Amino acid sequence: AQKVTQAQTEISVVEKEDVTLDCVYETRDTTYYLFWYKQPPSGELVFLIRRNSFDEQNEISGRYSWNFQKSTSSFNFTITASQVVDSAVYFCVSGGARQLTFGSGTQLTVLP
Amino acid sequence: GAGVSQSPSNKVTEKGKDVELRCDPISGHTALYWYRQSLGQGLEFLIYFQGNSAPDKSGLPSDRFSAERTGGSVSTLTIQRTQQEDSAVYLCASSTRPGRGEKLFFGSGTQLSVL
Repeated sequence: AQKVTQAQTEISVVEKEDVTLDCVYETRDTTYYLFWYKQPPSGELVFLIRRNSFDEQNEISGRYSWNFQKSTSSFNFTITASQVVDSAVYFCVSGGARQLTFGSGTQLTVLP
Repeated sequence: GAGVSQSPSNKVTEKGKDVELRCDPISGHTALYWYRQSLGQGLEFLIYFQGNSAPDKSGLPSDRFSAERTGGSVSTLTIQRTQQEDSAVYLCASSTRPGRGEKLFFGSGTQLSVL
């Protein structure tokens, strides 16, 4: 069974601040995938990034960066210089061969 | 279509009535998923279809819930004798290569309200 824990229920930051969203996962699969999805107020989930279990290379994409550490089962997500448009619910997701397991989400509010 | 289409976008029903929710996945996507999102919660897996294989129904909360996928494309989620606790957003997603970490493409969901 898989489990994803996002301990931060809500985070508020002021525009241009950096913010890190935490994610801890549990899995018995040897091969698995980790994702971050964003759900803006419109409701439609948007894919942000995918990592697989055998690639711990961290990634930076524009203002977004991800830190995957198997030793601590963490897959944290950082937004640099946050913007109001970043306000959304962010879901960390773990997936094996079939279904995906979603964390409960972190509501990020970026204030102007 | 260009994306995953769900209808209706909103459905209000009375307790005890049956409802049908429709999902039209992206053309060519062999995998189709139904998830449920209650207010302020994460997504709860309901059911998964992959090609002609038997669906994974392990997430369906009760026998009042059923789903079918006709012709490997459109899917219908049916909830019989709706209860107030069924109120939620029902999300459909599709993907090309399940089990290989392919990302899911989500529809905008159906907001179900059971009065």
